[in-house]
Amino acid sequence: QVQLQESGPGLVKPSQTLSLTCTVSGGSISSGSYYWSWIRQPAGKGLEWIGRIYTSGSTNYNPSLKSRVTISVDTSKNQFSLKLTSVTAADTAVYYCARARVGANWFDPWGQGTLVTVSS
Amino acid sequence: DIQMTQSPSSVSASVGDRVTITCRASQGISSWLAWYQQKPGKAPNLLIYAASSLQSGVPSRFSGSGSGTDFTLTISSLQPEDFATYYCQQANSFPVTFGQGTRLEIK
Repeated sequence: QVQLQESGPGLVKPSQTLSLTCTVSGGSISSGSYYWSWIRQPAGKGLEWIGRIYTSGSTNYNPSLKSRVTISVDTSKNQFSLKLTSVTAADTAVYYCARARVGANWFDPWGQGTLVTVSS
Repeated sequence: DIQMTQSPSSVSASVGDRVTITCRASQGISSWLAWYQQKPGKAPNLLIYAASSLQSGVPSRFSGSGSGTDFTLTISSLQPEDFATYYCQQANSFPVTFGQGTRLEIK
C-alpha cells in the first residue's frame, strides 16, 4: 500500500524558509488519480490544511498562507515538497503530507509527520 | 472559509459505552464530511468519508450520519483502543477545514 514519509530540517530560524519533502512509496505520484497535500498541527491544537498539488503541477493553497507557500512536485523522484517563507514561531508545528483522491477531498493515507520548530 | 464546530470538546466514557460526537458546519456542505481518529504522537486516521461511508479496515462500531450542516460520529460500544481525539473535516470547498477536535477520555 501507499506510504508517505516527510523529511527535512527540524529547526528553522525566524524569517528563514521552511523546506520539507514528502516521499511516496508503494505507488506512483504520477497516477493522476490523486492530489497531494500538506497539513500542519501546532502542539496541542487542531489541523490546518496548507495546500495541495496535482501531478501536472497545478496547485491550490490556503488563502491564509498563500503569500508564503510554494508546493512543487518531482515525479522522477516520486516526491512533492513544501516551502514556507518568512517563518515565525507561529509556524512551529508537526507537518504532515497526505493523499486525497481526485473528487474527494478527504485524506488517506497520511505521513507520520515531522516536527518543525522555529527558533533562533 | 467554512467553520467546523465540534461538540463536546471532551467527553469521558467507559468501555462498552455508546458515544456520539457532533460536528456542525457554518454553511451547508451536503455530505462532504470526513471523520478522523488521532492518537497521541500519531497522524490522523480516516474513519468515515462522505458523512456515512466506513473506510476500509475500520471497525463497524464506528458510524457516521448527517448532511447539510449537522453531522454525528457514533461509536456503538467503546473499546480501549478508541480513546483518542476525533476530528471532523469538511471537503466541500477550499480551503478544507477541520473541527477543533473532541477528546475521548476514559472515565
